[in-house]
Amino acid sequence: DGGITQSPKYLFRKEGQNVTLSCEQNLNHDAMYWYRQDPGQGLRLIYYSQIVNDFQKGDIAEGYSVSREKKESFPLTVTSAQKNPTAFYLCASSAGTGAPGTEAFFGQGTRLTVV
Amino acid sequence: GDSVTQMEGPVTLSEEAFLTINCTYTATGYPSLFWYVQYPGEGLQLLLKATKADDKGSNKGFEATYRKETTSFHLEKGSVQVSDSAVYFCALRLYSSASKIIFGSGTRLSIRP
Repeated sequence: DGGITQSPKYLFRKEGQNVTLSCEQNLNHDAMYWYRQDPGQGLRLIYYSQIVNDFQKGDIAEGYSVSREKKESFPLTVTSAQKNPTAFYLCASSAGTGAPGTEAFFGQGTRLTVV
Repeated sequence: GDSVTQMEGPVTLSEEAFLTINCTYTATGYPSLFWYVQYPGEGLQLLLKATKADDKGSNKGFEATYRKETTSFHLEKGSVQVSDSAVYFCALRLYSSASKIIFGSGTRLSIRP
């Protein structure tokens, strides 16, 4: 089955530690995205990538880093510089900027809690 | 800049009531418009979409019409069910620049039996 997989579903981190969230897709999509969702709030874009080895900062990139070494994978590292990392993180992928109406597909999310 | 504005929730309705969730947008280009739904603890799923003015997207009894003159894409359903309880997000995507997808803040819908 084609889809987008995030792991782990739940993640606990001690203050001061870096942690990496995994996102893998087998949809052959060029574009991938990371969003952050806080309780009762909408989605805020952290980083996005339109092609391998290229990515751009979104609206709230500070304290986060990404890589895009393979088309299928777009891991997100939450660094110790992120002051308030407890949130629900969503990864998405999409075909490129081609046809209008091209939708994004989402993973099931990773809930990160700082303890 | 480009943005999406949704009516604030939560919205609470009785089963079989009529639903409207308002969505308006600001865009420099000519966007495609989407409604996504999120059930508790899950990711987002596409509900419906429209790509040009006067297009009507529909799915599972939900409908939304792309209104360029009012820059709106309001979500409607004639008779809601308890299973429709979720958070609904309006979104836009432009194809003239980077492939960013911009979401509204979401509207939580609760349906009473």
